[in-house]
Amino acid sequence: EDKVVQSPLSLVVHEGDTVTLNCSYEVTNFRSLLWYKQEKKAPTFLFMLTSSGIEKKSGRLSSILDKKELFSILNITATQTGDSAIYLCAVYRGGSEKLVFGKGTKLTVNP
Amino acid sequence: NAGVTQTPKFQVLKTGQSMTLQCAQDMNHEYMSWYRQDPGMGLRLIHYSVGAGITDQGEVPNGYNVSRSTTEDFPLRLLSAAPSQTSVYFCASSPRREGTYEQYFGPGTRLTVT
Repeated sequence: EDKVVQSPLSLVVHEGDTVTLNCSYEVTNFRSLLWYKQEKKAPTFLFMLTSSGIEKKSGRLSSILDKKELFSILNITATQTGDSAIYLCAVYRGGSEKLVFGKGTKLTVNP
Repeated sequence: NAGVTQTPKFQVLKTGQSMTLQCAQDMNHEYMSWYRQDPGMGLRLIHYSVGAGITDQGEVPNGYNVSRSTTEDFPLRLLSAAPSQTSVYFCASSPRREGTYEQYFGPGTRLTVT
């Protein structure tokens, strides 16, 4: 059975802190791993990672994939209150047309 | 482009009632899907479609029906609502090109079944 496990499930930090969110997976025929940010409404796309060791970066957010150890991390530096959200990790299985989601990490950034 | 739209935004049903959640996209995407999101559970796939006339079951299909008569629309039907179907429902679409696995989500429908 496919599994995507995120940790921690929730995290509370102060503005300016750096956080690391984790996503491990066991998925048949892995093709790609995706990160989404969900504030009050729909998830919005952050990154798609397909190759090991290549960092994707967007402003203060960055992510990397390790296909040998089957995990990814999402880093957020100099956190702001606007980073408060649920961060979802999903894995795309080849041949299945499906994204398998983890349960999410709820990040709260306090001023 | 409106992207992915969903109606209604909120709905309250009584147990046993039926209803249809509407989803439409104007990006000419082949792939469309329905998810439900419950607290602490992430997103779980209900049904999906890879093109007009083709649908398949996801992880939690029981109690739901779908059809895809056009590329644009993918309605989700609740046949006889149950309190266990209280949830937030998201529709998503994707262009279904090799190497492009990102899905675009609608704003969601919050459903309460009493």
